[in-house]
Amino acid sequence: EAGVAQSPRYKIIEKRQSVAFWCNPISGHATLYWYQQILGQGPKLLIQFQNNGVVDDSQLPKDRFSAERLKGVDSTLKIQPAKLEDSAVYLCASSLYPQGPNTGELFFGEGSRLTVL
Amino acid sequence: AQSVAQPEDQVNVAEGNPLTVKCTYSVSGNPYLFWYVQYPNRGLQFLLKYITGDNLVKGSYGFEAEFNKSQTSFHLKKPSALVSDSALYFCAVRDGAAGNKLTFGGGTRVLVKP
Repeated sequence: EAGVAQSPRYKIIEKRQSVAFWCNPISGHATLYWYQQILGQGPKLLIQFQNNGVVDDSQLPKDRFSAERLKGVDSTLKIQPAKLEDSAVYLCASSLYPQGPNTGELFFGEGSRLTVL
Repeated sequence: AQSVAQPEDQVNVAEGNPLTVKCTYSVSGNPYLFWYVQYPNRGLQFLLKYITGDNLVKGSYGFEAEFNKSQTSFHLKKPSALVSDSALYFCAVRDGAAGNKLTFGGGTRVLVKP
């Protein structure tokens, strides 16, 4: 079974530039998550999708971050304009369980490491 | 609001010795608890979970965790550590009464020395 695919693995940009990350979840997983992991910290949820609808985006900085999941499969996360503090690893995860106690058993991609100079 | 605390930034242990990684949590409703491991330059991998039932849960790679409701803890354990267990470990909690949001702790780095 193929895992969660993310690209690019690494990206270096100047502040105020834009960047986009792509994620393809495990086939059949209706729930998709984007997490931000700053060095030395635990992952922080940015946005959660159920199919192509947003379930939780309360911690997404909406003035600069946007995400979409067209057709309920692939997802893109965009940052525009980027700030120095956006330097982090952006993790995509998917889950088979849309609700219930097993929600929380997530499958993660390898992440996209962003460096903002 | 739900939260997770991992009080130790790093745990050092000799190979073959028991390994314990501590985690405490705070939720309003019933806790659903998870442990994840992260190897260098990799994504997080699910290790084990506590949903209900037996307080001792067993997971991948010989790891187990003990749920203690009175102490609001969910410590990860392994009877005999391997050098290959060196990694970053994250505890996570989901509040059964507050939707599907999963909250992670800050992580504990485990270093197993030969």
